[in-house]
Amino acid sequence: DGGITQSPKYLFRKEGQNVTLSCEQNLNHDAMYWYRQDPGQGLRLIYYSQIVNDFQKGDIAEGYSVSREKKESFPLTVTSAQKNPTAFYLCASSRLNNEQFFGPGTRLTVL
Amino acid sequence: AQSVTQLDSHVSVSEGTPVLLRCNYSSSYSPSLFWYVQHPNKGLQLLLKYTSAATLVKGINGFEAEFKKSETSFHLTKPSAHMSDAAEYFCVVSLYNNNDMRFGAGTRLTVKP
Repeated sequence: DGGITQSPKYLFRKEGQNVTLSCEQNLNHDAMYWYRQDPGQGLRLIYYSQIVNDFQKGDIAEGYSVSREKKESFPLTVTSAQKNPTAFYLCASSRLNNEQFFGPGTRLTVL
Repeated sequence: AQSVTQLDSHVSVSEGTPVLLRCNYSSSYSPSLFWYVQHPNKGLQLLLKYTSAATLVKGINGFEAEFKKSETSFHLTKPSAHMSDAAEYFCVVSLYNNNDMRFGAGTRLTVKP
């Protein structure tokens, strides 16, 4: 059963804590992406990676970090430096220069 | 730089009536254009895409969109709305490659019985 999985579905964090969101794909896609979605807004790109061990900042990378040690995995860490981390986070993957496929999302709430 | 504007933040239709969700884009070159649908608390699902082939693009669930270069538009239509169509719809433009996709703010479609 091919697809993109994100875990957990809901995540709660205290202010000042780092938290890592998981994203795994078994579609053999080269590229992976992280987006943030806020109510009434479109998706904004946080980071993307086109190849293992390489990634680029998107439009709103401040306060976030990523790694790409394996082709199928692209975890996102929301650090304490992120001023307003409460949001819905979406991971996507694609073959290079093709449409993106999205995971089910993780809703992060900072208490 | 490319961008996309969804002209309506909310559209409400009755079941069985046509759906029109409007999207205008801005791009210096020939773009790729997409429509995605998102149901509450879910990821996005691709409805259809335009990549410089036929200007009328057919997608899943009876949706279609027409690329009109002269009007820089890519409106999404469906002849007859179903209750299950109620969702958020995003128009997306990309240039050169699909690593740089720009999302519209979304249109929330409500379908009344």
